[in-house]
Amino acid sequence: QKEVEQNSGPLSVPEGAIASLNCTYSDRGSQSFFWYRQYSGKSPELIMFIYSNGDKEDGRFTAQLNKASQYVSLLIRDSQPSDSATYLCAVRRGITGGGNKLTFGTGTQLKVEL
Amino acid sequence: GAVVSQHPSRVICKSGTSVKIECRSLDFQATTMFWYRQFPKQSLMLMATSNEGSKATYEQGVEKDKFLINHASLTLSTLTVTSAHPEDSSFYICSASPSSDTQYFGPGTRLTVL
Repeated sequence: QKEVEQNSGPLSVPEGAIASLNCTYSDRGSQSFFWYRQYSGKSPELIMFIYSNGDKEDGRFTAQLNKASQYVSLLIRDSQPSDSATYLCAVRRGITGGGNKLTFGTGTQLKVEL
Repeated sequence: GAVVSQHPSRVICKSGTSVKIECRSLDFQATTMFWYRQFPKQSLMLMATSNEGSKATYEQGVEKDKFLINHASLTLSTLTVTSAHPEDSSFYICSASPSSDTQYFGPGTRLTVL
């Protein structure tokens, strides 16, 4: 079992729709959860992070965390063609301390169609 | 804030030569930097964790004598790929971590070994 699992996609959604990206993790000791966006040929950029169960909203993005189910998701509202990218889920054991390493999933490719 | 640079962005070298990649945190001090490698259509694989003033911690399977890491200051870490071979061709990405909570990625270095 992979430590962090994501459906590789591609996930295709029409412009303006809600894109839902999912991630499961195996380490129950994980406490910090991150979503990164990576365009082809570029390095990842941080979208948002979440520590507590529930929802966290930032603009068009909402991260959802359910530690009991070991599940974290990212919702993108009003999807735009510019959102087309690979979305990487990452987990970390600690909450504070940037020194704790991140474990990445393989990413979900999102395609937003006109 | 939280800008990380890498140099060079792209390098082509002959088999058997060594290549040095620099990673700099431009607007913060990074006590910890991370080096990743990403092959096409695969996720980021952590190679090593670099702490300022101490030896790097390498992930299992990563040859420390082949991938030399130096973290001489709080704003600079270098990765030297020694005696590079075509199978070392990859996208190398560093990230830097301020003391707070997350990692910020550099733009990456694409290495091609002929």
